[in-house]
Amino acid sequence: QVQLVESGGGVVQPGSSLRLSCVASGFTFSTYGMHWVRQAPGKGLEWVAVVWYDGTNKFYADSVKGRFTISRDDRSNTIYLQMNSLRADDTAFYYCARDKWNNLGDNWLDLWGQGTLVSVSS
Amino acid sequence: SSELTQDPSVSVALGQTVRITCQGDSVRRYYANWYQQKPGQAPLLLFYGRNNRDNRASGIPGRFSGFISGNTASLTITEAQAEDEADYYCNSRDSSGNHVVFGGGTRLTVL
Repeated sequence: QVQLVESGGGVVQPGSSLRLSCVASGFTFSTYGMHWVRQAPGKGLEWVAVVWYDGTNKFYADSVKGRFTISRDDRSNTIYLQMNSLRADDTAFYYCARDKWNNLGDNWLDLWGQGTLVSVSS
Repeated sequence: SSELTQDPSVSVALGQTVRITCQGDSVRRYYANWYQQKPGQAPLLLFYGRNNRDNRASGIPGRFSGFISGNTASLTITEAQAEDEADYYCNSRDSSGNHVVFGGGTRLTVL
């Protein structure tokens, strides 16, 4: 079954760290770039980070750059999001999503996980 | 600009036609993708790429159509159904080409 399953969310205090995981199954994970996208409760979607299929490039939203790190492990079909120095405004559902592309250079997110909730509160 | 602008809310009578738009330089320069999100669910891809009209995602009903003209992407729902009530988001790339951007989303209400 083609799917993405996130885990690792929870309630943490401001300034602390948390690592999210996203396990992929049912497709050749190593040939896809992967993203993290978040959504604060009642708000819109916000892109967080991407790691290319081969891990050579990683890009981050300005709001998380320097605090969050995306990585991948093709042996376990998993991507991670290491989140440090967490703030209240990082509170959100965090989704992982698969990147698809075409020969025109277009990219889209064609497969999403169900999300994991991160709540940052004192 | 890397911003994508969407109307916050739109309503449509059951069985009627509604158009949801997404405007921004990124649409003209790159492309626009569309996603549907229902309460408590993950986003679902509807249309993708610069040739929206020809790129309906798998399993999406034919009453949904996509079109891009200039800096505006349009998502049209013909004969809207109650189950189409959801939030709709567009996305593209930012001006650097390396970051993803989302529109603010449009909440569709089916009356």
